[in-house]
Amino acid sequence: GESVGLHLPTLSVQEGDNSIINCAYSNSASDYFIWYKQESGKGPQFIIDIRSNMDKRQGQRVTVLLNKTVKHLSLQIAATQPGDSAVYFCAENPLSGGSYIPTFGRGTSLIVHP
Amino acid sequence: EPEVTQTPSHQVTQMGQEVILRCVPISNHLYFYWYRQILGQKVEFLVSFYNNEISEKSEIFDDQFSVERPDGSNFTLKIRSTKLEDSAMYFCASSAVDSGANVLTFGAGSRLTVL
Repeated sequence: GESVGLHLPTLSVQEGDNSIINCAYSNSASDYFIWYKQESGKGPQFIIDIRSNMDKRQGQRVTVLLNKTVKHLSLQIAATQPGDSAVYFCAENPLSGGSYIPTFGRGTSLIVHP
Repeated sequence: EPEVTQTPSHQVTQMGQEVILRCVPISNHLYFYWYRQILGQKVEFLVSFYNNEISEKSEIFDDQFSVERPDGSNFTLKIRSTKLEDSAMYFCASSAVDSGANVLTFGAGSRLTVL
């Protein structure tokens, strides 16, 4: 069936390093993707989004890359800080077709060592 | 910054008991959602709600579940007869739009433990 999944469940990095979190999707109808960050004891928080007509979008210290050919999404965090430690989820949803409900992947736990 | 608030933060209940989880969405949002997250697993969609009715629901949202917007501010999830497998974190979310770039704002969650 259609699914959103993540390649690595846990990623450990040193403070100051760049982090890359990957996500694969299989629903070819998905044309909008969102990265959420979930800190311990909190709900998911929006980080950055990207539409399928783009292949790159940059925010503050974060960049999302979209490769539609291989249905792959990544989140790059520059100069990772301890405050970036959290679980990161990619979510997808189509912008047409009647359902606009984001579907979440399993999540990657990012651990930043000082 | 506007936020979604949820109560209780943690509820422990006996199997078979009814549970009501409460949410106050962001005041100018029109679309409301419940998701759940079993420990260590992904965030799963349960139900969406708009204009005082369910707009979409997942297979998880069976007859044991119901949602209600009893007044202008609260949005509740009721589980009629809880089962052990209902133990999870339940997240309420709201959004301003249901099409286009649908960015949900989540609450901190209500942890339900069924014994």
